[in-house]
Amino acid sequence: QSALTQPASVSGSPGQSITISCTGTSSDVGSYNLVSWYQQHPGKAPKLMIYEVSKRPSGVSNRFSGSKSGNTASLTISGLQAEDEADYYCCSYAGSSTPVVFGGGTKLTVL
Amino acid sequence: QVQLQESGPGLVKPSETLSLTCAVSGYSISSGYYWGWIRQPPGKGLEWIGSIYHSGSTYYNPSLKSRVTISVDTSKNQFSLKLSSVTAADTAVYYCARGGYSYGLPYDYWGQGTLVTVSS
Repeated sequence: QSALTQPASVSGSPGQSITISCTGTSSDVGSYNLVSWYQQHPGKAPKLMIYEVSKRPSGVSNRFSGSKSGNTASLTISGLQAEDEADYYCCSYAGSSTPVVFGGGTKLTVL
Repeated sequence: QVQLQESGPGLVKPSETLSLTCAVSGYSISSGYYWGWIRQPPGKGLEWIGSIYHSGSTYYNPSLKSRVTISVDTSKNQFSLKLSSVTAADTAVYYCARGGYSYGLPYDYWGQGTLVTVSS
């Protein structure tokens, strides 16, 4: 069982917007603005899409945005494109005893 | 451009020690950052194994801590993972990655991953 809870799957049509949630606790997501999101296509390494809740690395499309409220972080993808179909993982700092925790992953299907 | 490349045996026998190395190019490990290992069992999600700061401080997943050792060799610009007493549950794709200065996050550069199978 993963430390952070994500929906197993979400789907949307091209052009639409979707949101993936990532629920943790007051010991991880709720206490630190250190949530990051990773995109993983089949057979490939994960790619950093969002860090520190809402910051985008250079080269990542502004269609990807992140936010946080309480113990839940969210990744929103607007203007869905076929290439966005992938698995998405959230990650958070969780304190000195277990520094890094990942979510179980969400499979995004573009219909 | 920072690049990471994992290497090591693709098959390990149960009860033996899994050993992997991550060679880094385009950046000197001794200059900074954290350097981490993450694994992904077939068809499953990501699991953080641990990381090492460029100075040598290590941080491990408590669930693996008794079996894991991460070390760095700055002369070769590489870092390594050793996981002892492996079982079939340790079969996974193992990734190495560079971690940021915020407690080792985020992981901005990743290796391509290497599949390690535990089987007799």
